[in-house]
Amino acid sequence: DQQVKQNSPSLSVQEGRISILNCDYTNSMFDYFLWYKKYPAEGPTFLISISSIKDKNEDGRFTVFLNKSAKHLSLHIVPSQPGDSAVYFCAASPNTGGFKTIFGAGTRLFVKA
Amino acid sequence: DAGVIQSPRHEVTEMGQEVTLRCKPISGHNSLFWYRQTMMRGLELLIYFNNNVPIDDSGMPEDRFSAKMPNASFSTLKIQPSEPRDSAVYFCASSLEETSYEQYFGPGTRLTVT
Repeated sequence: DQQVKQNSPSLSVQEGRISILNCDYTNSMFDYFLWYKKYPAEGPTFLISISSIKDKNEDGRFTVFLNKSAKHLSLHIVPSQPGDSAVYFCAASPNTGGFKTIFGAGTRLFVKA
Repeated sequence: DAGVIQSPRHEVTEMGQEVTLRCKPISGHNSLFWYRQTMMRGLELLIYFNNNVPIDDSGMPEDRFSAKMPNASFSTLKIQPSEPRDSAVYFCASSLEETSYEQYFGPGTRLTVT
């Protein structure tokens, strides 16, 4: 039973356009959400996070939106750049801490020049 | 800091052989995690340690898998005997404390069992 779901295995976007990556979760105990970015032959690296007390968090070109009632979050990248091409993992944790973090299966983003 | 270090980066072995993956966490981090990445299931947590003590190993798939953390700077994940379905990328990650949300991942070990 996947508690964190990324239903799109891949996404292709033109450079300069917006990339929207989606994530759904089922466990209402999740309290903190993160996005990680992974390049080939490297480990995932932390990108951006959001607490359940917020509905939006912005960091430069990256914005994460949280809709708690729908148990849905999304990552927006504007404008998309070729260097953003990577696998993006959505992750969720309960308020007890990161040791219970659950990761989604990942979405591979292709940004075409 | 060098970040989380994993070795080997690639491992090819035959079915039935013992495989040992190694990890050196970031100095000062108290929690260490072992994950397995597959195409179908994404990143799965296998086991995590806090202050060198295994806290949750419910993700370890079978008794063929074992993990140790003899000290704060070293951990191993062992598969004995290995099977083709164990082929995956294995990541080690560390975090400052078990309550910390952000984890720092190593580059992973790509394991192929033929």
